Amino acid sequence: AQKITQTQPGMFVQEKEAVTLDCTYDTSDPSYGLFWYKQPSSGEMIFLIYQGSYDQQNATEGRYSLNFQKARKSANLVISASQLGDSAMYFCAMWEDSSYKLIFGSGTRLLVRP
Amino acid sequence: NAGVTQTPKFQVLKTGQSMTLQCAQDMNHNSMYWYRQDPGMGLRLIYYSASEGTTDKGEVPNGYNVSRLNKREFSLRLESAAPSQTSVYFCASSRNEKLFFGSGTQLSVL
Repeated sequence: AQKITQTQPGMFVQEKEAVTLDCTYDTSDPSYGLFWYKQPSSGEMIFLIYQGSYDQQNATEGRYSLNFQKARKSANLVISASQLGDSAMYFCAMWEDSSYKLIFGSGTRLLVRP
Repeated sequence: NAGVTQTPKFQVLKTGQSMTLQCAQDMNHNSMYWYRQDPGMGLRLIYYSASEGTTDKGEVPNGYNVSRLNKREFSLRLESAAPSQTSVYFCASSRNEKLFFGSGTQLSVL
């Protein structure tokens, strides 16, 4: 069964606008974490943001925020004020404390238009 | 700070050849991981090692073996490479749930 689902293979956004990248997950573990990673064309994996399943508030890191809706099992990434350098692949990932490993979604390719 | 170091960065093999991908971390992390990334796809877990002396299969372990040589090093071995193993391989390490990744090894099997 797919544990992490990213339904948007590709997205466009205009520079300086906000964009939301979708992620839904499936787990029966009460203790888990959700991550977003950025992979630019150079190929490295860059950690962006983390949300724990018990965190009461949505995580924020600069222009990145995670819209965590636990009942809906979604963990969408919001990028505000998009920049050209935001063009990259974005991966949602889930950590389950019971399995002690990180599982990735298939990714969303974001292209920021000038 | 070196972080997670993978060698080699690029490798071309012929079908049936063997090779070992090396990974070392200098962050004193307990856990280490090997992932593969095929074009247009996310990372899939091959093997992981939650602590020194232990290894476990991930999502796609077939055709691979691993060795956790010590706390710093975690190697991935392809005994008889196949074209289906053409991929980018990432090593990662963690103390808890946050993983730190190496820069990847691009492997082509002809």
